[in-house]
Amino acid sequence: QKEVEQDPGPLSVPEGAIVSLNCTYSNSAFQYFMWYRQYSRKGPELLMYTYSSGNKEDGRFTAQVDKSSKYISLFIRDSQPSDSATYLCAMSAGQGAQKLVFGQGTRLTINP
Amino acid sequence: GAVVSQHPSRVICKSGTSVKIECRSLDFQATTMFWYRQFPKKSLMLMATSNEGSKATYEQGVEKDKFLINHASLTLSTLTVTSAHPEDSSFYICSAPRGSPSYEQYFGPGTRLTVT
Repeated sequence: QKEVEQDPGPLSVPEGAIVSLNCTYSNSAFQYFMWYRQYSRKGPELLMYTYSSGNKEDGRFTAQVDKSSKYISLFIRDSQPSDSATYLCAMSAGQGAQKLVFGQGTRLTINP
Repeated sequence: GAVVSQHPSRVICKSGTSVKIECRSLDFQATTMFWYRQFPKKSLMLMATSNEGSKATYEQGVEKDKFLINHASLTLSTLTVTSAHPEDSSFYICSAPRGSPSYEQYFGPGTRLTVT
């Protein structure tokens, strides 16, 4: 079993829809959770960074962490074609320069 | 704007030659940087942890003598692919934690290596 599971998709939704992306994990030591967006042939771009359980909102993006269920989510409201990319969840056990464990990435397409 | 840069963005080399890729943190110091490899439509595979002032730490299965890492300063790490072969063709990406208090990790734009 992988430490972090993420449905690779692909996921295709119409413009304006709410998108829900999810990851599950098995290591209860994970405390820091990140979502990255990666466009084709580019490096990942940090979207959201959260610590422990709870919600965090930034513009159209909301990240949720449920440590009791070992489940994290990223919601994208009012999705735009420019949101079409691969979304990667990542997590680490400690603060500092820690290795990240990544999910497989979900390929998302927003159709105009 | 970008906080981590990589150079070159693309490189084509012949089999048997060596290629150096640079990773720089632009407005912060990074005593640790990470090097990843990514195959098409796949997630990132951590290759090694680059440590300023000490040897790099390699992940299991990564050849130390083939992928040489030097953390020359607090803002620069280099990855040298030695005696490159076509199977080394890939997308190489570095990352650097920005530092206290949150140590968010930022990625470079990546380097596409093609070995002919």
